[in-house]
Amino acid sequence: GQSLEQPSEVTAVEGAIVQINCTYQTSGFYGLSWYQQHDGGAPTFLSYNALDGLEETGRFSSFLSRSDSYGYLLLQELQMKDSASYFCALSNTGKLIFGQGTTLQVKP
Amino acid sequence: DAEITQSPRHKITETGRQVTLACHQTWNHNNMFWYRQDLGHGLRLIHYSYGVHDTNKGEVSDGYSVSRSNTEDLPLTLESAASSQTSVYFCASSEGSGTVYEQYFGPGTRLTVT
Repeated sequence: GQSLEQPSEVTAVEGAIVQINCTYQTSGFYGLSWYQQHDGGAPTFLSYNALDGLEETGRFSSFLSRSDSYGYLLLQELQMKDSASYFCALSNTGKLIFGQGTTLQVKP
Repeated sequence: DAEITQSPRHKITETGRQVTLACHQTWNHNNMFWYRQDLGHGLRLIHYSYGVHDTNKGEVSDGYSVSRSNTEDLPLTLESAASSQTSVYFCASSEGSGTVYEQYFGPGTRLTVT
């Protein structure tokens, strides 16, 4: 089967940098996606890594290492509005398998 | 603008009743998905469809069914609602085939089974 593991909660200060890790077990996959979900809202797509390395999208970056079965989402210049849940997801044939999510709390 | 909508947004029903949750998308996406979200479990896939008349079971499909009669709609039916099915349900859609990495989610339906 496939599984993903993320920390349940992370706390950081406004303006800081935070890294949300994701480790996974799978026999095969296309890539690793990241989604953001504000409390009570719909998940929204943030980033996707098909290849090893870093992908940058504004203040957000995502990293994948297939050899280590590991990825992370890096959020820079944290803002209060970044307080949300963040999910990593394995892209498999035609569908996504989601991790349990990490709740990020940004403090002033 | 294209969008994906769900109805109702909130539903309270009794154990044993049949319930249908609607999902409608105007993206013209072939792929549609239903998830449930419970505290501590993230998003778990219930059923999905790659096109009209195609349906597939996800990891938590017991007690649920779907049908796809057109591109825009994928209704989710709970045949006989159980308290364990109290959850928030999200519908999503995506384009293409093979690699699926970006899905567009609806606003969710909060279902309570009493």
